[in-house]
Parts: sequence; structure tokens; C-alpha cells
Amino acid sequence: KAGVTQTPRYLIKTRGQQVTLSCSPISGHRSVSWYQQTPGQGLQFLFEYFSETQRNKGNFPGRFSGRQFSNSRSEMNVSTLELGDSALYLCASSTQWGAADEQFFGPGTRLTVL
Amino acid sequence: GENVEQHPSTLSVQEGDSAVIKCTYSDSASNYFPWYKQELGKRPQLIIDIRSNVGEKKDQRIAVTLNKTAKHFSLHITETQPEDSAVYFCAASRGNQGGKLIFGQGTELSVKP
Repeated sequence: KAGVTQTPRYLIKTRGQQVTLSCSPISGHRSVSWYQQTPGQGLQFLFEYFSETQRNKGNFPGRFSGRQFSNSRSEMNVSTLELGDSALYLCASSTQWGAADEQFFGPGTRLTVL
Repeated sequence: GENVEQHPSTLSVQEGDSAVIKCTYSDSASNYFPWYKQELGKRPQLIIDIRSNVGEKKDQRIAVTLNKTAKHFSLHITETQPEDSAVYFCAASRGNQGGKLIFGQGTELSVKP
């Protein structure tokens, strides 16, 4: 089985712009979570989607949003980018929601905001 | 709020020694505790996990212990090898309420040959 994939792998944007990141889960996995990883804050939970519905949300401003499609692929969007949004954005997939299953991480999208 | 404290932040051991990393969580409803290993430039990968109905779990050189009363859980690596060098993250979640993982700050483990 192919692993979790994320596109693009690298992205450079300027302040004020918006960005959309994509995540394709492992085939058959229906739950997708997003995390932000920075040297200072570590790994922080953004949100989780299952069956096209947001099931959990972290403590991030409304500029961060996401969605999930019927094929379980997910996108996250960040509007009005700030310098502090520079980070590695990781998505993770698991088979179900609420089953305490292993989450498989993608390689991440490295976002740099100038 | 939900929080996971992880110690130490860096750990250096000689090859063959044991390494222990400790985590404390605040959310008493947490019932799933995975440990991830992240090598430089790579994605986090699960190395072992434990559920709240189990006190200890072992997989070859890796073991995890959980003390629910004290809200502590620990990772033990025995007979360390240079390839064990990486950043290790503990995490906690209310597994039956979704996959939201609250991560510790990470421990950079260095195994010197």
C-alpha cells in the first residue's frame, strides 16, 4: 500500500497570501488529522476530519481551515499568511475515528513565509 | 487544558546503554499513548503504543510503562544502537473520541558508538 502523500512538499509564500495544502491518506483510511511542527512549539494539532466532517479542532485562529472530500483526501488552507506560520505541516491518516488506532504520517509540506 | 510534559529534552548515551524518556499528561480522560520516532528530515513513525487498560508493553528492545494514577508513562530502550539516534515524541489522546494527539516537546536521543 502506498503511504500518506502530501503536496506540495515545499512552498514559499509572502505575508498576506493564502495557501492550500493537500493530503492523500492511505487507501482505506477514512480519518485525516493535520499537525503543525515548529522548533519552538513542537507538534501541535490543527484539526481532524472523518467522513467529510471536522471532528476535532485545535487552538489555532480561524485563518486555518480544512476540508475532506468523499474519497477521504483532505486539504488545509491558511489565509492571510503571517511569518509565524512558517512550519512543517504534517497530515496523518488512520482507519477509523474513535478507535485509538495508529496514525500514519505523511512526509509533510514545508511552508516558508517571507 | 490538555498538556503533555516530556523529559529530558536531550539525552546522550553510549551504545549498549539503556535510555529512558518520561512523560506526564494532564487530561485524565486520555486512554491512548503512542510514541513516535522522527529521524532528521523524515516523518514521525510509530514505534510503540499503549492503551490505558495495560500497564506495560514490550517490543524487542523497546518497552513502555503506564501509571494511570500518576498520569505518567515512560519509554525504555535497551541495548541502544547508533540507529536509535532520533527525536522521540510521546503523545496522549482520548482514543475513543478521535485521533487528536497531544504531543510532548520531544527528546533528542544521541547514541554514541
